[in-house]
Amino acid sequence: DIQLTQSPSSLSASVGDRVTITCRASQSIRNYLNWYQQKPGKAPKVLIYAASSLQSGVPSRFSGSGSGTDFTLTISSLQPEDFATYYCQQTYSMPWTFGQGTKVEIK
Amino acid sequence: QVQLVESGGGVVQPGRSLRLSCAASGFTFSNDGMHWVRQAPGKGLAWVAAIWYDGSNKYYADYVKGRFTISRDNSKNTLYLQMNSLRAEDTAVYYCARELIGAAGTAYFAQWGQGTLVTVSS
Repeated sequence: DIQLTQSPSSLSASVGDRVTITCRASQSIRNYLNWYQQKPGKAPKVLIYAASSLQSGVPSRFSGSGSGTDFTLTISSLQPEDFATYYCQQTYSMPWTFGQGTKVEIK
Repeated sequence: QVQLVESGGGVVQPGRSLRLSCAASGFTFSNDGMHWVRQAPGKGLAWVAAIWYDGSNKYYADYVKGRFTISRDNSKNTLYLQMNSLRAEDTAVYYCARELIGAAGTAYFAQWGQGTLVTVSS
């Protein structure tokens, strides 16, 4: 199975900060990497698919990059509604797997 | 708009069975692969099972293989998860998710249901 390791596991940041979350795969997954946002008590919501494609309706302050084994989710200017947990997911091979999550908290 | 509505969760004793349903609307259900994903209390997301658009292929996580069965009824726009021999570690919120293939040819979960809680406890 392909393992995804996110870092950091949690971070504290202020409104307006630039935030970067990384996801490393245990083997190459080309660009088969998605990012989801989950708020407490809610279902996850896709932000980025295919490593760098912004899902329709998602604010442009979210961006994704990377290919192969190393990927990044960047929030260019953190907004109050962005405090949540973020997960990466690979759909390169079954079983599809998720990273352990990164919780973004208010500083 | 697209809606996925799970049902069937509840409290069940270890070793017993439960069947979850996911009613889909707002899209052509028979065109898309569907998945179940779960989340134990306070933990991260874990993929459980997948089924092709026509039901011809199914995939399972090792921790449910042989105990859980995914199925679908395209005439009823409904996805199912039959869960047998339940264990305490199966306690989680179970989400159904719709798979889409993007322009780059890669898959992702475009929509999720609201989830249904399964608690396995004596």
